[in-house]
Amino acid sequence: AQRVTQPEKLLSVFKGAPVELKCNYSYSGSPELFWYVQYSRQRLQLLLRHISRESIKGFTADLNKGETSFHLKKPFAQEEDSAMYYCALKHDYKLSFGAGTTVTVRA
Amino acid sequence: DTAVSQTPKYLVTQMGNDKSIKCEQNLGHDTMYWYKQDSKKFLKIMFSYNNKELIINETVPNRFSPKSPDKAHLNLHINSLELGDSAVYFCASSQANSPLHFGNGTRLTVT
Repeated sequence: AQRVTQPEKLLSVFKGAPVELKCNYSYSGSPELFWYVQYSRQRLQLLLRHISRESIKGFTADLNKGETSFHLKKPFAQEEDSAMYYCALKHDYKLSFGAGTTVTVRA
Repeated sequence: DTAVSQTPKYLVTQMGNDKSIKCEQNLGHDTMYWYKQDSKKFLKIMFSYNNKELIINETVPNRFSPKSPDKAHLNLHINSLELGDSAVYFCASSQANSPLHFGNGTRLTVT
């Protein structure tokens, strides 16, 4: 069975503060993990995938196989980062999502 | 150019009606999907087609019937709509191990 857990439903931070969104997964094979972002009433957009190891909009995420985690981090949050963030695990043709974390960045 | 486009954007209808949502992708992808985002923002896969063949069919009522006339299109037909069908339905496409590209969603409201 595959499962993606995002333990925080809501996350509120001040502008300029660091933000970390937690994601843990359970998967028996070699995982392929993603972070997607959904701004208010918009489509889901790919933010990061673990194999690319790049930084998008200042966000980074590192796959930790020992802890089965793929946490998303940004050192200095901006107001435009307020959105819903989903961690997702791809296996075969399927993308399974976590429950999502709503991030609010306050001025 | 929109990569994955869905129509309509909004759909308001009464219980018991039959409705369809259309999806088209111009990315040349082989695989297309329908996802449902409920009122709590949970995203759940409903169906997936690869080269017009159904490959994923999650536990979805028979009232939902996907149809893929060609690999660029995946439509969703819903019979006898119920209140619980109210949600945002997202179409997506992908190629092999590439990330999924999502459409803008169709907000379905059943009254």
